[in-house]
Amino acid sequence: DIQLTQSPSSLSASVGDRVTITCQASQDITNYLNWYQQIPGKAPKLLIYDASNLQTGVPSRFRGGGSGTHFTFTINNLQPEDVATYYCQQYDDLPYSFGQGTKLEIK
Amino acid sequence: QVQLVQSGAEVKKPGSSMKVSCKASGGTFNNFAITWVRQDPGQGLEWMGGIIPHHGTTNYAQRFQGRLTITADESTNTVYMELSSLKSEDTAVYYCARSFDLLTAYYDYWGQGTLVTVSS
Repeated sequence: DIQLTQSPSSLSASVGDRVTITCQASQDITNYLNWYQQIPGKAPKLLIYDASNLQTGVPSRFRGGGSGTHFTFTINNLQPEDVATYYCQQYDDLPYSFGQGTKLEIK
Repeated sequence: QVQLVQSGAEVKKPGSSMKVSCKASGGTFNNFAITWVRQDPGQGLEWMGGIIPHHGTTNYAQRFQGRLTITADESTNTVYMELSSLKSEDTAVYYCARSFDLLTAYYDYWGQGTLVTVSS
């Protein structure tokens, strides 16, 4: 099974900052990597698909990149509403899997 | 706009079965796939398996093989997820989610989640 390791597990940043989360895959997953945002008590929301494609309606301050085994997710100009847990997810091979999550807080 | 509406919370006894539904409101499933993902309380997300309702093709995570059955009723635009031989570790919020197909697995619409508690 493919393991996804996110880092950091949690982070705290200020409004206006740029934050970056990484997702390391245990094997090459090409670009079959998605990013989700989950606010407590809510379902996950798709932000980025296929590593770098912005889902319709998602603000352009969210960006994804990478390929193979190393991926990044960046939020530019951090906003208060970005407080959430962020997950990466691979669909290169079954069983599809998620990273353990990165909890983002505002200082 | 498609909405996925799930059935309500359940409490189940260990060893029993659960069956959660996911209904497409405001549209049909067309040729999309519906997948089930669960989340342990305070924990991360776990992919379980999915179905293409239009022709019944399914895929399942190996760890649930034999316990998990996903079915669809196109006439009512509803997908069902049945998990048997329940254990306390199956206590979780269960989500259904839509993707273009089983192999293009990014999930753009999600149900609201169904909390299933397994307790004696």
